[in-house]
Amino acid sequence: SYELTQPPSVSVSPGQTARITCSGDALPKQFAYWYQKKSGQAPVLVIFKDSERPSGIPERFSGSSSGTTVTLTISGVQAGDEADYYCQSSDSSGFYVFGGGTKVTVL
Amino acid sequence: EVQLVESGGGLVKPGGSLRLSCAASGFNFNNAWLSWVRQAPGKGLEWVGRIKRKSDGGTADHAAPVKGRFTVSRDDSTNMVYLQMNSLKVEDTGVYFCTSAVFLEGYDIWGQGTMVTVSS
Repeated sequence: SYELTQPPSVSVSPGQTARITCSGDALPKQFAYWYQKKSGQAPVLVIFKDSERPSGIPERFSGSSSGTTVTLTISGVQAGDEADYYCQSSDSSGFYVFGGGTKVTVL
Repeated sequence: EVQLVESGGGLVKPGGSLRLSCAASGFNFNNAWLSWVRQAPGKGLEWVGRIKRKSDGGTADHAAPVKGRFTVSRDDSTNMVYLQMNSLKVEDTGVYFCTSAVFLEGYDIWGQGTMVTVSS
C-alpha cells in the first residue's frame, strides 16, 4: 500500500523556522495537502495543492515540492503553532492517504 | 454557516455494528464529495472512505483496513452522509471525522468528530 513518510517530531525555538518533510513515490504526480491538528480539535487545512495557502492561514505557513518530497515550512514559529502536522495525498488509484504525522514542539 | 455535524458514536462490542451520521449545511451538498477520516487514540489521521457526488457516479471507495466492513453512503435529499460500520474490531476505536473539500481542493471543512469505542 502507498505510504507517505514524515519525521515523527521537529523541535524549534520561537521565532525560528520549522521544516517538515513528507516523502512519497507518487508526489511528483499528485498534489499534497497539509493539515494542522491540535488535541481535541478538528484538523485545519493549512496548505493545498503543494503550495497554496487558504485564506485566514498566516503567511508564515508555506509549502513547496521537489521530486518525491514536499515540505511544509513555518517561518517565525510561535507558541500557538505547536501541534501535529499531517501531509495528505493520493495514490495512483486516487485513494487518499495521510502521512504518519509530525509533532512540532516549540521550545 | 458551513457546517458538518457528526453523531452516532458510542460503545460497541467487537463484532458489533454502528452507523455514524453527518449532517451538512451551508453549502451545495449535491456538488460535494464527502469523506470520513478517523484517528485512533495516540495515533495519526487515517482516511476511511469517501462517496462521490451523483454527477461523478455517486460511488463509494473505502480504505483497505475497512473494505468489506464499512460502507459510506449519502442522502442528497436530506444533506446527510453515513458510515455504516459492521464487524467492528478493537482497532476501529477512535474519533471519526466527517470532512469535505467545499471551497478548495483539500479537506477545508471538518466536523467536530464523534468517538467510537470498540471494547468487550
